Amino acid sequence: AQSVTQLDSHVSVSEGTPVLLRCNYSSSYSPSLFWYVQHPNKGLQLLLKYTSAATLVKGINGFEAEFKKSETSFHLTKPSAHMSDAAEYFCVVSLLTSGTYKYIFGTGTRLKVLA
Amino acid sequence: KAGVTQTPRYLIKTRGQQVTLSCSPISGHRSVSWYQQTPGQGLQFLFEYFSETQRNKGNFPGRFSGRQFSNSRSEMNVSTLELGDSALYLCASSSDTGNTIYFGEGSWLTVV
Repeated sequence: AQSVTQLDSHVSVSEGTPVLLRCNYSSSYSPSLFWYVQHPNKGLQLLLKYTSAATLVKGINGFEAEFKKSETSFHLTKPSAHMSDAAEYFCVVSLLTSGTYKYIFGTGTRLKVLA
Repeated sequence: KAGVTQTPRYLIKTRGQQVTLSCSPISGHRSVSWYQQTPGQGLQFLFEYFSETQRNKGNFPGRFSGRQFSNSRSEMNVSTLELGDSALYLCASSSDTGNTIYFGEGSWLTVV
């Protein structure tokens, strides 16, 4: 069965320090993987997606993620955190079932950025 | 290109009432899906519509229903509201060939 696990429910970093949000997935075939960000009182915004092209994916706002098949991981990183990065982040796996895509959402990681 | 538009953004209803939420997808997108987001349950899939037909359905009671119109706009309805229906309702759309879903800003429903 396909699943996605976000290993940390909360992460705190200081402004200007690196960000690492961890995501592991379980899939019987090559998945499509996404990271979304949700700022307070907002919808989910697509940060980046992996769809079996380059394993290092660059997204918006300086975020990137690396697909590691051997580790079944898709961790999200950013070299230097900014106060505006404080939000909730969701790792998502999509799978094609009976001709339609289904999406499995992680439980989210709330990122806090300290001044 | 305009994004996914949801209306209304905020609303307050009384237990037992019903509510209708609206979603306009990105132009050209024919798939529209709905999600409920609560602090305790996270993001839960309600249903998906494609070309006016419900294609997938989550595990919600029959009080939750939806429909899609020929212009791909979608509505969801919740009847006989309960306090537990208080949530952020998110709509997302995707193109026929893509597997990326794009979300609207959501509709905040409070049931009192």
